[in-house]
Amino acid sequence: AAGVIQSPRHLIKEKRETATLKCYPIPRHDTVYWYQQGPGQDPQFLISFYEKMQSDKGSIPDRFSAQQFSDYHSELNMSSLELGDSALYFCASSLATGTAKNIQYFGAGTRLSVL
Amino acid sequence: AQKVTQAQTEISVVEKEDVTLDCVYETRDTTYYLFWYKQPPSGELVFLIRRNSFDEQNEISGRYSWNFQKSTSSFNFTITASQVVDSAVYFCALSEPYNQGGKLIFGQGTELSVKP
Repeated sequence: AAGVIQSPRHLIKEKRETATLKCYPIPRHDTVYWYQQGPGQDPQFLISFYEKMQSDKGSIPDRFSAQQFSDYHSELNMSSLELGDSALYFCASSLATGTAKNIQYFGAGTRLSVL
Repeated sequence: AQKVTQAQTEISVVEKEDVTLDCVYETRDTTYYLFWYKQPPSGELVFLIRRNSFDEQNEISGRYSWNFQKSTSSFNFTITASQVVDSAVYFCALSEPYNQGGKLIFGQGTELSVKP
């Protein structure tokens, strides 16, 4: 079965640079979530989209933005990168209806290292 | 505010032992979902189970079983006859009602180490 695809898997950037993370949800899933997981920590919610509209926002820095496109893939854009942005970034997708609703399936994550 | 607490930071067992991972949650919502996810050393997050707040039946899947007790706001996870491949960080999570966004609120995680 198709899973959530994230790219790239690893990304190394310098401070103050910009990064773009991509997420391709499971086909027919209508909701996408982004989470940030720092070393030794639990995942923290950043932002979500339902049917291409932003549905919720967590502790996402103003330097970060995200959108969901017409083909349902989503991108997380991160500017003016700081050392503290080094983390594992997960995308998850889910269905809003049906027996499997609310189950979030996660991609393998993008490991961002800011040097 | 919603909160998930996994009091056990690390657990170490020897293969074939049974182990229970504790999870306690707080929420004011009457409708909510509880989850367990597994994060092996490779880093991905693997969905294990979802339980909704109206279903307190315990569930068993192979060596895994879950005990949901609304009265104590607990959703504990037991692995029977543990194996080395069970070594991972296990997260308990609570989701908001979908009309509030549905985001997951994770516990701090319990790192399980199963030694041969």
